Amino acid sequence: SQQGEEDPQALSIQEGENATMNCSYKTSINNLQWYRQNSGRGLVHLILIRSNEREKHSGRLRVTLDTSKKSSSLLITASRAADTASYFCASPNNQGGKLIFGQGTELSVKP
Amino acid sequence: GAGVSQSPRYKVTKRGQDVTLRCDPISSHATLYWYQQALGQGPEFLTYFNYEAQPDKSGLPSDRFSAERPEGSISTLTIQRTEQRDSAMYRCASSAGLAGGLNTGELFFGEGSRLTVL
Repeated sequence: SQQGEEDPQALSIQEGENATMNCSYKTSINNLQWYRQNSGRGLVHLILIRSNEREKHSGRLRVTLDTSKKSSSLLITASRAADTASYFCASPNNQGGKLIFGQGTELSVKP
Repeated sequence: GAGVSQSPRYKVTKRGQDVTLRCDPISSHATLYWYQQALGQGPEFLTYFNYEAQPDKSGLPSDRFSAERPEGSISTLTIQRTEQRDSAMYRCASSAGLAGGLNTGELFFGEGSRLTVL
């Protein structure tokens, strides 16, 4: 079963625009993570936000976490063609060890 | 090693054969995960290890699947009597800290082993 569910499943934007992806999860968490996957390659960790944090920035990435709504969002500002990839949220299960991924958002940034 | 290494990168086998996939994590990383990923889907959890201990193997689809990490470093995932539905990308990841509680942190993934069962 999936802990996180991303929305939308696919997103197509023009270079320079912002891209927002959302993730909902089911159980209480101590952190939530976002990963990027380029065209079948290995997943790359982008950012981790802890349950006591509401917002976190890393370069052009901004992540928010709303534990009352069990949701998170990933914003990529000033997108580039190189941002084209699938983006996944992931969070540990109740016991903390099992990191569970969502189905992902496929982002396409057109030059 | 510098990164997580998986072998073989590609494996084609006939239905009914046994297959063993290998993962060499980042040296000194305590935790090692195995995931199965179908095309266009997110990684599905199979099992994880804290050193040689295997606290959770709830994601293994059947008793044909088993994983080992006998010395707390290299791990193998074995699929016995393979079936066509086992065809997928199998991904290994490692993490520096022990998984569990507040300590489940950033995962470093390998490039995966693509298994095709004919």
